[in-house]
Amino acid sequence: DGGITQSPKYLFRKEGQNVTLSCEQNLNHDAMYWYRQDPGQGLRLIYYSQIVNDFQKGDIAEGYSVSREKKESFPLTVTSAQKNPTAFYLCASSMTGTGYGYTFGSGTRLTVV
Amino acid sequence: AQSVTQLGSHVSVSEGALVLLRCNYSSSVPPYLFWYVQYPNQGLQLLLKYTTGATLVKGINGFEAEFKKSETSFHLTKPSAHMSDAAEYFCAVSDEDSSYKLIFGSGTRLLVRP
Repeated sequence: DGGITQSPKYLFRKEGQNVTLSCEQNLNHDAMYWYRQDPGQGLRLIYYSQIVNDFQKGDIAEGYSVSREKKESFPLTVTSAQKNPTAFYLCASSMTGTGYGYTFGSGTRLTVV
Repeated sequence: AQSVTQLGSHVSVSEGALVLLRCNYSSSVPPYLFWYVQYPNQGLQLLLKYTTGATLVKGINGFEAEFKKSETSFHLTKPSAHMSDAAEYFCAVSDEDSSYKLIFGSGTRLLVRP
């Protein structure tokens, strides 16, 4: 079955360490997205990518980095520059053309101690 | 700027009662509209969407929504709430400046009382 996979489900890191969250899709979708979710704050867009080797900053890109070397993969690195990295991170993908909507992964909960 | 407003961050209903979650949007062009549901510690799942055609859209789990252009609304309803409907619901609208991006509302948490 086609879908979008985020791993790991739970991640613990020490403060000051970089950490990379994985997102893989086998839906042949062109566009991929990363969102951050904090209690009571809805979804906030971190980065998005429409095509391979190209990506754009979202609303809260500071302290994060991404790459898009393959169509299927869009990993997110949370760097030590991110002041408050503990959150729930959601990856999504879509076909070009907004009538299709997004398909979401099941999320990664990052806790920094 | 384009926006999506969900009235009420929390809505509480009794089991068996009508569910009404409100969504209003701003857009200068005919939008595509979506409702998503999120259960705790999970991703978002598409409930229903409006693209063109019939303005009353039926989705999964007995939910439906009606696109009202004159009111710029896309409210989500379900005639009879079930305990399993307790979740967070997000309304989204197509970004008129992009061919693929969505703009999400801030979410409404639905609580269902026994």
